[in-house]
Amino acid sequence: EDQVTQSPEALRLQEGESSSLNCSYTVSGLRGLFWYRQDPGKGPEFLFTLYSAGEEKEKERLKATLTKKESFLHITAPKPEDSATYLCAVCYGGATNKLIFGTGTLLAVQP
Amino acid sequence: DVKVTQSSRYLVKRTGEKVFLECVQDMDHENMFWYRQDPGLGLRLIYFSYDVKMKEKGDIPEGYSVSREKKERFSLILESASTNQTSMYLCASREGSSNQPQHFGDGTRLSIL
Repeated sequence: EDQVTQSPEALRLQEGESSSLNCSYTVSGLRGLFWYRQDPGKGPEFLFTLYSAGEEKEKERLKATLTKKESFLHITAPKPEDSATYLCAVCYGGATNKLIFGTGTLLAVQP
Repeated sequence: DVKVTQSSRYLVKRTGEKVFLECVQDMDHENMFWYRQDPGLGLRLIYFSYDVKMKEKGDIPEGYSVSREKKERFSLILESASTNQTSMYLCASREGSSNQPQHFGDGTRLSIL
């Protein structure tokens, strides 16, 4: 079954404590993997697209990496303003492309 | 920057009412989408449109319809609202091919009483 799983469901960090969020997928024919940030009561905000294994993207304290089975969102020295839900989504398939969203990781960064 | 605007942030309606949710994007994107987001279930696709007057069913189209009369505007219609349609509704748009990212509006939190 085509699936996207994010872990952990929730993560609490102290300010400055680096960590990683995981997005694992079991799909055929990956066409792209997307990371989003979602603040409470708002829509998802696009962060990164990764297309092939080995690819990396960075933005401020965030760095996304991709392997053939999973993606990591590394957060270096997080600040309280990084608190949000982080979603990943996988686009896959041949003639009929599909997009599946994970259920997200709720990140709380305490000062 | 892409801007996707949803007409209402919060909406309260009664069971049986016909409900219209409106979405406008300013980037001339061909593709537009409607999702609902529920705790523990993630985002689920209701309908999408790849061109004016064109629409395709998503994973959970029952009880909903859509309208796209102009390229920038995509409307979601709840034909006869029911309490199980209480949810956060998100509109998104996307340019070009499916391996491009979707860009989302801020959502409409709809409560059906």
